Amino acid sequence: DQQVKQNSPSLSVQEGRISILNCDYTNSMFDYFLWYKKYPAEGPTFLISISSIKDKNEDGRFTVFLNKSAKHLSLHIVPSQPGDSAVYFCAASEDNNNDMRFGAGTRLTVKP
Amino acid sequence: EADIYQTPRYLVIGTGKKITLECSQTMGHDKMYWYQQDPGMELHLIHYSYGVNSTEKGDLSSESTVSRIRTEHFPLTLESARPSHTSQYLCASSELGSGANVLTFGAGSRLTVL
Repeated sequence: DQQVKQNSPSLSVQEGRISILNCDYTNSMFDYFLWYKKYPAEGPTFLISISSIKDKNEDGRFTVFLNKSAKHLSLHIVPSQPGDSAVYFCAASEDNNNDMRFGAGTRLTVKP
Repeated sequence: EADIYQTPRYLVIGTGKKITLECSQTMGHDKMYWYQQDPGMELHLIHYSYGVNSTEKGDLSSESTVSRIRTEHFPLTLESARPSHTSQYLCASSELGSGANVLTFGAGSRLTVL
Protein backbone atom coordinates (compact mmCIF):
# COMPACT_ATOMS: atom_id res chain seq x y z
CA ASP A 1 0.00 0.00 0.00
CA GLN A 2 2.06 2.92 -1.29
CA GLN A 3 0.56 6.02 0.29
CA VAL A 4 3.17 8.40 -1.11
CA LYS A 5 4.01 8.29 -4.79
CA GLN A 6 6.66 10.00 -6.86
CA ASN A 7 5.77 9.05 -10.40
CA SER A 8 8.82 10.55 -12.09
CA PRO A 9 11.92 8.47 -11.40
CA SER A 10 14.17 11.08 -12.97
CA LEU A 11 14.27 14.72 -14.06
CA SER A 12 16.91 16.65 -15.97
CA VAL A 13 17.07 20.45 -16.09
CA GLN A 14 19.52 23.10 -17.22
CA GLU A 15 21.45 25.11 -14.68
CA GLY A 16 19.64 28.32 -13.80
CA ARG A 17 16.21 26.98 -14.76
CA ILE A 18 13.43 25.85 -12.44
CA SER A 19 13.23 22.25 -11.19
CA ILE A 20 9.77 20.98 -10.24
CA LEU A 21 9.51 17.69 -8.39
CA ASN A 22 6.09 16.22 -7.81
CA CYS A 23 4.57 13.99 -5.17
CA ASP A 24 1.07 12.54 -4.71
CA TYR A 25 -0.42 10.97 -1.64
CA THR A 26 -3.54 9.00 -0.79
CA ASN A 27 -3.93 9.39 2.99
CA SER A 28 -5.97 12.49 3.83
CA MET A 29 -4.90 12.15 7.48
CA PHE A 30 -1.33 13.22 6.80
CA ASP A 31 -0.43 16.34 8.81
CA TYR A 32 3.12 17.01 7.66
CA PHE A 33 4.97 16.67 4.40
CA LEU A 34 8.74 16.70 4.09
CA TRP A 35 11.33 16.65 1.36
CA TYR A 36 14.69 14.96 1.80
CA LYS A 37 17.71 15.09 -0.47
CA LYS A 38 20.10 12.17 -0.88
CA TYR A 39 23.56 12.18 -2.43
CA PRO A 40 25.23 8.88 -3.42
CA ALA A 41 26.77 6.96 -0.51
CA GLU A 42 25.13 9.31 2.01
CA GLY A 43 21.93 9.17 4.02
CA PRO A 44 18.96 11.40 3.18
CA THR A 45 19.12 14.92 4.63
CA PHE A 46 16.12 17.06 5.50
CA LEU A 47 15.42 19.87 3.07
CA ILE A 48 12.07 21.50 3.76
CA SER A 49 8.67 20.69 5.26
CA ILE A 50 5.11 21.96 5.17
CA SER A 51 2.19 21.57 7.53
CA SER A 52 -1.21 20.56 6.17
CA ILE A 53 -2.62 23.90 7.35
CA LYS A 54 -0.45 25.76 4.87
CA ASP A 55 -0.27 25.73 1.10
CA LYS A 56 3.21 27.14 0.64
CA ASN A 57 6.53 27.18 2.47
CA GLU A 58 9.64 28.87 1.17
CA ASP A 59 13.28 28.57 2.21
CA GLY A 60 15.75 30.31 -0.05
CA ARG A 61 15.77 28.68 -3.47
CA PHE A 62 13.39 25.95 -2.30
CA THR A 63 9.60 26.26 -2.17
CA VAL A 64 7.11 23.54 -1.39
CA PHE A 65 3.49 23.86 -2.52
CA LEU A 66 0.67 21.78 -1.07
CA ASN A 67 -2.68 21.19 -2.78
CA LYS A 68 -4.78 19.26 -0.27
CA SER A 69 -7.82 18.88 -2.50
CA ALA A 70 -5.67 17.19 -5.15
CA LYS A 71 -3.51 15.38 -2.55
CA HIS A 72 -0.49 16.72 -4.34
CA LEU A 73 2.66 18.56 -3.37
CA SER A 74 5.56 19.86 -5.33
CA LEU A 75 9.07 21.10 -4.65
CA HIS A 76 10.35 24.01 -6.73
CA ILE A 77 14.05 24.79 -6.93
CA VAL A 78 14.87 28.16 -8.46
CA PRO A 79 17.45 28.67 -9.82
CA SER A 80 18.71 25.11 -10.13
CA GLN A 81 22.41 24.52 -9.55
CA PRO A 82 24.62 21.51 -10.44
CA GLY A 83 25.06 20.86 -6.71
CA ASP A 84 21.32 20.20 -6.49
CA SER A 85 21.82 16.99 -8.46
CA ALA A 86 20.63 14.27 -6.07
CA VAL A 87 17.71 11.95 -5.35
CA TYR A 88 14.78 13.78 -3.74
CA PHE A 89 12.38 11.87 -1.49
CA CYS A 90 8.92 13.07 -0.56
CA ALA A 91 7.67 11.93 2.86
CA ALA A 92 4.48 12.35 4.87
CA SER A 93 3.23 11.55 8.34
CA GLU A 94 0.39 12.10 10.74
CA ASP A 95 1.14 14.20 13.81
CA ASN A 96 2.96 12.30 16.57
CA ASN A 97 3.08 9.19 14.42
CA ASN A 98 6.35 7.36 13.86
CA ASP A 99 5.20 5.82 10.61
CA MET A 100 6.59 8.30 8.11
CA ARG A 101 5.78 7.20 4.57
CA PHE A 102 8.33 7.82 1.83
CA GLY A 103 8.03 7.97 -1.92
CA ALA A 104 10.44 6.10 -4.18
CA GLY A 105 12.42 9.22 -4.99
CA THR A 106 13.14 11.33 -8.07
CA ARG A 107 16.69 11.62 -9.36
CA LEU A 108 17.35 15.24 -10.34
CA THR A 109 20.22 16.05 -12.68
CA VAL A 110 21.12 19.70 -13.17
CA LYS A 111 23.30 20.18 -16.24
CA PRO A 112 25.84 23.02 -16.38
CA GLU B 1 29.87 17.51 16.25
CA ALA B 2 26.43 15.98 16.76
CA ASP B 3 25.82 13.23 14.26
CA ILE B 4 24.56 9.71 13.63
CA TYR B 5 26.99 6.94 12.73
CA GLN B 6 26.46 3.59 11.08
CA THR B 7 28.92 0.72 10.79
CA PRO B 8 29.78 -1.15 8.71
CA ARG B 9 29.13 0.97 5.63
CA TYR B 10 29.41 -2.06 3.37
CA LEU B 11 29.18 -5.75 4.25
CA VAL B 12 29.31 -8.84 2.04
CA ILE B 13 28.54 -12.01 3.93
CA GLY B 14 27.56 -15.63 3.33
CA THR B 15 24.15 -17.17 3.94
CA GLY B 16 23.50 -18.29 7.50
CA LYS B 17 25.87 -15.85 9.17
CA LYS B 18 24.80 -13.68 12.08
CA ILE B 19 25.29 -9.96 11.54
CA THR B 20 24.83 -6.83 13.60
CA LEU B 21 24.53 -3.39 12.06
CA GLU B 22 25.59 -0.68 14.48
CA CYS B 23 23.95 2.74 14.85
CA SER B 24 24.95 5.45 17.30
CA GLN B 25 23.83 9.06 17.61
CA THR B 26 25.33 11.88 19.64
CA MET B 27 22.36 14.25 19.50
CA GLY B 28 20.54 12.91 22.56
CA HIS B 29 17.49 12.05 20.45
CA ASP B 30 14.90 9.83 22.09
CA LYS B 31 13.41 8.37 18.90
CA MET B 32 15.45 6.07 16.68
CA TYR B 33 14.49 4.15 13.55
CA TRP B 34 15.68 1.56 11.07
CA TYR B 35 14.59 1.85 7.44
CA GLN B 36 15.23 -0.59 4.62
CA GLN B 37 15.59 0.61 1.05
CA ASP B 38 16.07 -1.20 -2.22
CA PRO B 39 17.33 0.74 -5.28
CA GLY B 40 14.64 2.92 -6.83
CA MET B 41 12.17 2.04 -4.12
CA GLU B 42 10.70 3.88 -1.16
CA LEU B 43 12.17 3.65 2.32
CA HIS B 44 10.32 1.16 4.52
CA LEU B 45 10.25 1.42 8.31
CA ILE B 46 11.25 -1.90 9.90
CA HIS B 47 11.90 -0.94 13.54
CA TYR B 48 11.62 2.09 15.80
CA SER B 49 12.16 3.04 19.43
CA TYR B 50 10.81 5.82 21.66
CA GLY B 51 13.66 5.47 24.13
CA VAL B 52 15.61 3.07 26.32
CA ASN B 53 14.00 -0.40 26.54
CA SER B 54 11.38 0.59 23.93
CA THR B 55 11.31 -1.23 20.57
CA GLU B 56 8.50 -1.59 18.04
CA LYS B 57 8.14 -3.20 14.63
CA GLY B 58 7.46 -1.00 11.62
CA ASP B 59 5.15 -1.49 8.68
CA LEU B 60 7.52 -3.77 6.77
CA SER B 61 7.89 -7.24 8.20
CA SER B 62 11.51 -8.01 8.95
CA GLU B 63 13.33 -10.99 10.39
CA SER B 64 15.77 -8.67 12.08
CA THR B 65 15.68 -7.67 15.75
CA VAL B 66 16.76 -4.51 17.55
CA SER B 67 17.66 -3.45 21.07
CA ARG B 68 17.82 -0.10 22.86
CA ILE B 69 19.84 -0.47 26.04
CA ARG B 70 21.36 3.01 25.79
CA THR B 71 19.80 6.19 24.41
CA GLU B 72 22.55 6.67 21.86
CA HIS B 73 22.78 3.10 20.56
CA PHE B 74 20.27 1.17 18.40
CA PRO B 75 21.83 -1.94 16.83
CA LEU B 76 20.04 -4.19 14.35
CA THR B 77 20.73 -7.94 14.28
CA LEU B 78 20.04 -10.66 11.74
CA GLU B 79 20.52 -14.08 13.35
CA SER B 80 20.83 -15.94 10.05
CA ALA B 81 21.39 -13.84 6.94
CA ARG B 82 19.76 -14.83 3.64
CA PRO B 83 20.08 -13.42 0.10
CA SER B 84 16.61 -11.84 0.53
CA HIS B 85 18.14 -9.62 3.25
CA THR B 86 20.36 -7.93 0.67
CA SER B 87 19.46 -4.26 0.87
CA GLN B 88 20.49 -0.89 2.23
CA TYR B 89 19.69 -0.27 5.88
CA LEU B 90 19.34 3.33 7.06
CA CYS B 91 19.33 4.33 10.72
CA ALA B 92 17.70 7.60 11.76
CA SER B 93 16.86 9.55 14.89
CA SER B 94 14.58 12.42 15.88
CA GLU B 95 13.47 14.39 18.89
CA LEU B 96 10.33 13.61 20.87
CA GLY B 97 7.52 16.09 20.45
CA SER B 98 4.71 17.19 18.17
CA GLY B 99 5.04 18.75 14.78
CA ALA B 100 6.95 17.65 11.73
CA ASN B 101 9.03 14.65 12.69
CA VAL B 102 12.33 15.61 11.07
CA LEU B 103 14.62 12.62 10.83
CA THR B 104 18.41 12.74 10.87
CA PHE B 105 19.79 9.81 8.90
CA GLY B 106 23.06 7.95 9.04
CA ALA B 107 25.01 7.23 5.86
CA GLY B 108 23.56 3.71 5.65
CA SER B 109 24.83 0.13 5.72
CA ARG B 110 24.72 -1.72 2.42
CA LEU B 111 24.36 -5.44 3.05
CA THR B 112 24.96 -8.13 0.43
CA VAL B 113 24.22 -11.74 1.36
CA LEU B 114 25.65 -14.33 -1.01
